[in-house]
Amino acid sequence: QKEVEQNSGPLSVPEGAIASLNCTYSDRGSQSFFWYRQYSGKSPELIMSIYSNGDKEDGRFTAQLNKASQYVSLLIRDSQPSDSATYLCSHGGGKLIFGQGTELSVKP
Amino acid sequence: DTEVTQTPKHLVMGMTNKKSLKCEQHMGHRAMYWYKQKAKKPPELMFVYSYEKLSINESVPSRFSPECPNSSLLNLHLHALQPEDSALYLCASSQPGQVNTEAFFGQGTRLTVV
Repeated sequence: QKEVEQNSGPLSVPEGAIASLNCTYSDRGSQSFFWYRQYSGKSPELIMSIYSNGDKEDGRFTAQLNKASQYVSLLIRDSQPSDSATYLCSHGGGKLIFGQGTELSVKP
Repeated sequence: DTEVTQTPKHLVMGMTNKKSLKCEQHMGHRAMYWYKQKAKKPPELMFVYSYEKLSINESVPSRFSPECPNSSLLNLHLHALQPEDSALYLCASSQPGQVNTEAFFGQGTRLTVV
């Protein structure tokens, strides 16, 4: 079993819609979870971190963590074409392992 | 502006060359990472330094040799590479530990082995 698994996509949503990205992880001891955005040819950019069960909102982004289900998600509201990128889920704690990434395409 | 700086941005090297990739961070972080990323794949962890000591080596071939001269600098020495080693090499830094460990990446070095 991979440490971090994401729905591989690609995911296509119309402009203005909500994009939902999901991730599961296998290490029950993980305490830190991150979402990175990576544009083609660029390095990953941290967009959200979450450490506690529940929701964390930052602008149009909401991260949700459920440690009992070992599940973390990212919602992007009012999706824009500029959100088109690959989104990487990861957990930290000394090793920072990434899921395989979900490619998101937002169509105008 | 990124606070993790990698040099060079691009590197072309022959299979018999020796070269080094450099990474510098000014975030006060005490953990630094090297990743390798191939096209359409996620970053793949290579090495982790924590408090300037190598803490994780993900079974990386010995033709890749990391070095952490001080808490701000991380090098990756390259020798006798193969064409399949061509990739984007990413450096990242964070605080060590289990929480508050957001990692920040440099812009990467695009390596081509010919």
